[in-house]
Amino acid sequence: NAGVTQTPKFQVLKTGQSMTLQCAQDMNHEYMSWYRQDPGMGLRLIHYSVGAGITDQGEVPNGYNVSRSTTEDFPLRLLSAAPSQTSVYFCASSPRTGGFPRSYEQYFGPGTRLTVT
Amino acid sequence: LAKTTQPISMDSYEGQEVNITCSHNNIATNDYITWYQQFPSQGPRFIIQGYKTKVTNEVASLFIPADRKSSTLSLPRVSLSDTAVYYCLVGRLYNQGGKLIFGQGTELSVKP
Repeated sequence: NAGVTQTPKFQVLKTGQSMTLQCAQDMNHEYMSWYRQDPGMGLRLIHYSVGAGITDQGEVPNGYNVSRSTTEDFPLRLLSAAPSQTSVYFCASSPRTGGFPRSYEQYFGPGTRLTVT
Repeated sequence: LAKTTQPISMDSYEGQEVNITCSHNNIATNDYITWYQQFPSQGPRFIIQGYKTKVTNEVASLFIPADRKSSTLSLPRVSLSDTAVYYCLVGRLYNQGGKLIFGQGTELSVKP
């Protein structure tokens, strides 16, 4: 298994440009999420998905769109890039578990470092 | 969502036991406590999770008192490679309508 993969690894955008950060997982996980991490800060949740066709907002959703057409893929779209979106973006996935105790282990990708000038 | 509070930083020496405490006063009944480790330029890595009392795995132990308003991650005999940021999360995943929020984390520095 490749686990969680993210592309690109690095990206530079000009203000106002749009782009899509790709995230894919091959573990058949139902739960996927996007976080951003600014220098010296913790991770902030942008959007998450509980399964194909279902998405919801996290802490900082403004300026970002997501969709989940398949279990494997969860792309993050920047609609009109702004310097404030300069950050490292992490995608994560987690399996659906039942019973007790449940597992809240999230598997993280390597990240995409985005700079907006 | 339960807010977590951790020390911003801690220093230790190789071979010592390190205890990092996280405060989560408004933890909900169905919330779990999870800890992650993050090295520079990498995504976080799951360490341990628990609901109450004590949990131990090959990497760490997690102590949760009866009131569950705090938890302590214990790293036995740390080495230089344990230098990282440690995050405490409290919440539930999707199957109980929740989402996991990261706090500021504790930057652990292990010295020789």
